[in-house]
Amino acid sequence: AQTVTQSQPEMSVQEAETVTLSCTYDTSESDYYLFWYKQPPSRQMILVIRQEAYKQQNATENRFSVNFQKAAKSFSLKISDSQLGDAAMYFCAYRTYGYTNAGKSTFGDGTTLTVKP
Amino acid sequence: EPEVTQTPSHQVTQMGQEVILRCVPISNHLYFYWYRQILGQKVEFLVSFYNNEISEKSEIFDDQFSVERPDGSNFTLKIRSTKLEDSAMYFCASNPRQNTEAFFGQGTRLTVV
Repeated sequence: AQTVTQSQPEMSVQEAETVTLSCTYDTSESDYYLFWYKQPPSRQMILVIRQEAYKQQNATENRFSVNFQKAAKSFSLKISDSQLGDAAMYFCAYRTYGYTNAGKSTFGDGTTLTVKP
Repeated sequence: EPEVTQTPSHQVTQMGQEVILRCVPISNHLYFYWYRQILGQKVEFLVSFYNNEISEKSEIFDDQFSVERPDGSNFTLKIRSTKLEDSAMYFCASNPRQNTEAFFGQGTRLTVV
């Protein structure tokens, strides 16, 4: 079974600064997806960024980028130029490729990000 | 932009009562899921559904739970006899093809009293 570990329950960053959220995972599969989701106080799950395991290039989405290290099974999220609206819980998630079934996502425990003005 | 819609947004029910949570996935999607998030905890997979049958279910998804796609558009999660520990946020998700990310609904907060 896959596991996802987020070792930082809480992080804080000054507005306009950069912060990195850590995520490691364990799997025996070679094909999979990795995601970062943002969950604001409304508790809606908002997809921030995705990475396919077969792609060596790190995904980037505006101020959000990842550092994907497949061999180390590490998938960190970097938020540049942090804004007050970035404050939320962030979940790292692993998704199976679903060759024989519909696939499913496994989530980490989450990291609460506080942005200080 | 199409989105997954869940109703109601918040439901309060008495312990022992049956509850049905409703979801309308994005129209051309083929794979459907329910996840649960107990307050302050991680999001947990409950069940996946494809081609009108359960594809996979977790150990949480016991005989008290069932899913149905009654009319080709709605996707429901039924809890037959709710327990206090069923209080959680329930997320529906769907995706169009097998190997794509799932799109999440806004969630239904279930409170069992």
